[in-house]
Amino acid sequence: QVQLQESGPGLVKSSETLSLTCTVSGGSISNYFWSWIRQSPGKGLEWIGYIYSSGITNSNPSLKSRLTMSIDTSENRFSLRLGSVTAADTAIYYCARLTVISGIYYFDFWGRGTLVTVSS
Amino acid sequence: DIQITQSPSSLSASVGDRVTITCQASQDISNFLNWYQLKPGVAPKLLIFAASKLHTGVPSRFSGSGSGTDFTFTISSLQPEDVATYYCQQCGNVLLTFGGGTRVEIK
Repeated sequence: QVQLQESGPGLVKSSETLSLTCTVSGGSISNYFWSWIRQSPGKGLEWIGYIYSSGITNSNPSLKSRLTMSIDTSENRFSLRLGSVTAADTAIYYCARLTVISGIYYFDFWGRGTLVTVSS
Repeated sequence: DIQITQSPSSLSASVGDRVTITCQASQDISNFLNWYQLKPGVAPKLLIFAASKLHTGVPSRFSGSGSGTDFTFTISSLQPEDVATYYCQQCGNVLLTFGGGTRVEIK
């Protein structure tokens, strides 16, 4: 069973960079897409972006200019960096595996999520 | 962008009741729609993919239907452990988006 675990600071100062890592266990990170999703307090889910094991990425246009994603297949983990954060970036951040079959993109394994608060 | 309208935003039902949630897409997305269950502090779960396919290990009381713009998610007999928020997610284009969520409670 694939398991994912998010890690990183729970508090980030406004205008600084939010950095999170997702460690994958129970399966290889190779040949899959890996994604980040967030949920702001009291709001719904927002897809942030995904990275393939080769390093190819795709992201939400609303975040693209501030977003960097990377992947380390030797360590079975992938990472997110979101720059110039504001209070609007306060959210629970989830990492998930994104499986693609016949054009259907679905998140079949998720981490428990980690709360990141942006402080002024 | 493809907009997804999910309803209702919340519902309360008795154990054993049939529960139905709908999602409407702003344009035809064929069967490119999935459903998830979220509970606080627990890893979210994929329940249904491709509109109607049950993910491995998901109880058969959960089901999905629909195609084009209109989709339905059903719990045939609500159980106490089904208290959660449910989201649909479309993948009709490269910008993946979710519905607003439906909070399900026990009456």
